[in-house]
Amino acid sequence: GAVVSQHPSWVICKSGTSVKIECRSLDFQATTMFWYRQFPKQSLMLMATSNEGSKATYEQGVEKDKFLINHASLTLSTLTVTSAHPEDSSFYICSATRGEGAYEQYFGPGTRLTVT
Amino acid sequence: GENVEQHPSTLSVQEGDSAVIKCTYSDSASNYFPWYKQELGKRPQLIIDIRSNVGEKKDQRIAVTLNKTAKHFSLHITETQPEDSAVYFCAATNSGGYQKVTFGTGTKLQVIP
Repeated sequence: GAVVSQHPSWVICKSGTSVKIECRSLDFQATTMFWYRQFPKQSLMLMATSNEGSKATYEQGVEKDKFLINHASLTLSTLTVTSAHPEDSSFYICSATRGEGAYEQYFGPGTRLTVT
Repeated sequence: GENVEQHPSTLSVQEGDSAVIKCTYSDSASNYFPWYKQELGKRPQLIIDIRSNVGEKKDQRIAVTLNKTAKHFSLHITETQPEDSAVYFCAATNSGGYQKVTFGTGTKLQVIP
């Protein structure tokens, strides 16, 4: 159990357009979901933390109007990159925890975004 | 905020030798320390974790030690195999309030056959 999926696995979009990435917990209810960005040969950088039904908490330096996060249900969170630029090209990974006070994070397979 | 430093950034070992990766953290409120293995283009895979009330944990060839006083924790891999080659990340988690995870900078481990 504890499977997290992401869709799409890769996407190419043109500069100035928006792209939505979905993160789903397939066999558990995710009280908290996390969104990370990972540039090549770098570590995972936490972008934001979201709890179902409430506004996401963004990390310092992450523009909340550019990276829209919606945690509409206990099994789905979405990240929308608005007005994408080439510098937004990255590997975006979501994760989820199961239950309040849970420690372990279950990661999705990631989404490779390329902005041309 | 939390700051996690990880060393070394690259590590080459002969097959069968041991590998040690070290991390330090700054926030004394961090209470959960997972280690992840990540292969190129794939998701991080949890390999072992330790909570702040435990000093050492072992799972077959992998062990983690934690020194809360010094804010150090280390990953030990014994009898390394070529399939252990990957990037390893440590992380420090503060589970109070809302959970916040800070990752280390990563260590690229190469096991030479």
